[in-house]
Amino acid sequence: EVKLLESGGGLVQPGGSLRLSCAASEFTLSNYAMSWVRQAPGKGLEWVSAISGRGVSTFYADSVKGRFTISRDNSKNSLYLQMTSLRAEDTAVYYCAKSVYGSPWAFHIWGQGTTVTVSS
Amino acid sequence: EIVLTQSPATLSLSPGERATLSCRASQSVTSYLAWYQQRPGQAPRLLIYDVSNRATGIPARFSGSGSGTDFTLTISSLEPEDFAVYYCQHRSNWPLTFGGGTKVEIK
Repeated sequence: EVKLLESGGGLVQPGGSLRLSCAASEFTLSNYAMSWVRQAPGKGLEWVSAISGRGVSTFYADSVKGRFTISRDNSKNSLYLQMTSLRAEDTAVYYCAKSVYGSPWAFHIWGQGTTVTVSS
Repeated sequence: EIVLTQSPATLSLSPGERATLSCRASQSVTSYLAWYQQRPGQAPRLLIYDVSNRATGIPARFSGSGSGTDFTLTISSLEPEDFAVYYCQHRSNWPLTFGGGTKVEIK
């Protein structure tokens, strides 16, 4: 079964850093455009960052640009989100998501999410 | 940034009724519009991509239509498991954005 499993969430102080991981199962992650989407408590979905299938191109929401970095390790079949200078407004469940083959940036497979809480 | 406005915010219907959800874009997204369902405590689930293509495993009662700036998700006959929040999302340009959501609740 095609699956994504996020990890790395937790409680961090404002200004701190955290690295989220997303492990892919039963498919080759490097063949797909991938993304991170977050959802603040009680709120809607917010796209955060994306990386093209070959990892050549990366994209960021203005709210995280300069603070977050998306990357992938094809040898580990994993996606990452390095988050620095964290703010209270970054508190959310973070999902990694796999694009539909042939329709990049429509997200077919989602992980279960990992929770990031930024608080002192 | 393309703003997606979903209406209504809440739709109160009974099982078996037809649901019609709207998503309006602030500028044309051509045909690059998707719909997701999210049940409480669960990750979103792709229903429709590129306006009208049902994702794998999605029942035929879900259908999408529209073009340019006005889009509709129709659920022909609501099943108990369809009561959830629905989001539209475009992939026309950067940044990707989602609509604010429509909650379909049991009347």
